[in-house]
Amino acid sequence: NAGVTQTPKFQVLKTGQSMTLQCAQDMNHNSMYWYRQDPGMGLRLIYYSASEGTTDKGEVPNGYNVSRLNKREFSLRLESAAPSQTSVYFCASSEDWVNEKLFFGSGTQLSVL
Amino acid sequence: GQQLNQSPQSMFIQEGEDVSMNCTSSSIFNTWLWYKQDPGEGPVLLIALYKAGELTSNGRLTAQFGITRKDSFLNISASIPSDVGIYFCAGQRETSGSRLTFGEGTQLTVNP
Repeated sequence: NAGVTQTPKFQVLKTGQSMTLQCAQDMNHNSMYWYRQDPGMGLRLIYYSASEGTTDKGEVPNGYNVSRLNKREFSLRLESAAPSQTSVYFCASSEDWVNEKLFFGSGTQLSVL
Repeated sequence: GQQLNQSPQSMFIQEGEDVSMNCTSSSIFNTWLWYKQDPGEGPVLLIALYKAGELTSNGRLTAQFGITRKDSFLNISASIPSDVGIYFCAGQRETSGSRLTFGEGTQLTVNP
């Protein structure tokens, strides 16, 4: 039982390049989330999907798009990467939107040069 | 913006010492959670608190839901090297479902 799986683990981009971070969960959870982690800032919510077929903006959505491909998968896309998007990105899932217990993936370390 | 103030930001302790950290807010929360992040990994849930005044233990960890509902505390007794990591508090304002707000984290270093 893998839980929440994120790929890639590391990525280096040049300013202006695009990329998609992939996330899949095998716990049959309804809700999925993308967070970014920056030193001294804790975890900030980028986008979330309360259930399959819905997505909503979180605290810091600018510069990102998401797709809830199916119940298992939730991807995060950077259309034109900027140095300010250098961060560690975490995907998480929970049983449903009411359930506050999040299960996190192991993260993607992204550097934008 | 960030609504939880977590302190201290970092701690350097000797193995065997007890550790205390806390999280405060100007807002009332209905749920408090404590997560631990090991180096290179995602956060893992340690303890969840649902009621003001609640005191819950998980092994050597004890967490409390403040009676004002605006704060929470985490204590680690008899620390060991594997306690190293970042500890995050998180709060949820509404039991009907709302996004979690995370604290900035406390970086714990344990010297053997």
